Amino acid sequence: EIVMTQSPGTLSLSPGERATLSCRASQSVSNNLAWYQQRPGQAPRLLIYGASSRATGIPDRFSGSGSGTDFILTISRLEPEDFAVYYCQQYFVSPLPFGPGTKVDVK
Amino acid sequence: QITLKESGPTLVKPTQTLTLTCTFSGFSLSTTGVGVGWIRQPPGKALEWLALIYWDDDTRYNPSLKTRLTVTKDTSKNQVVLTMTNIDPVDTATYYCAHRDLNRGWFDPWGQGTLVIVSS
Repeated sequence: EIVMTQSPGTLSLSPGERATLSCRASQSVSNNLAWYQQRPGQAPRLLIYGASSRATGIPDRFSGSGSGTDFILTISRLEPEDFAVYYCQQYFVSPLPFGPGTKVDVK
Repeated sequence: QITLKESGPTLVKPTQTLTLTCTFSGFSLSTTGVGVGWIRQPPGKALEWLALIYWDDDTRYNPSLKTRLTVTKDTSKNQVVLTMTNIDPVDTATYYCAHRDLNRGWFDPWGQGTLVIVSS
């Protein structure tokens, strides 16, 4: 089974700053990696698929990169609505684990 | 537009069987490649993938919960049902269903979730 890890656990930043979130898979998943955003009290929503493609309606301040085992989600300039928890998930092979999440909170 | 909505009991007693229903619209589970997944999230914790069912009745389960889970579909009603046996307080969580296309792989969109509390 593939295990997903994320770092850091919490990222404390100010609005307007750049956020860099990491996700690592225990074995190669090629580019079969998605990122989800979960705001407080809401269901997760798809941000990035295929490691680097933005989902419909996602602002271009969100970008994804990486392949194989190491992936990055970058938020170029944090907006107030971006303070949330971000999860990565591999969909290369079942089971389909999520990472433990990175919380982006206000510094 | 694809929408999904979970329904089921809010309070369940330990050792009972939990049955949750995902009712969806905007797609058909008789279409090749289409699937519905279940994911849960204990309060304040991370997402945990539980199960998947595809248009062809193929099912996949989280190995750690496989013996307790069953997922079925009713194509005519546009519903997917998740059954979890021998419920325990650690199963207290918000349970989500989500659309999955086999040719794509990611979950999108998700239902709003339903909170299940396990307590005597």
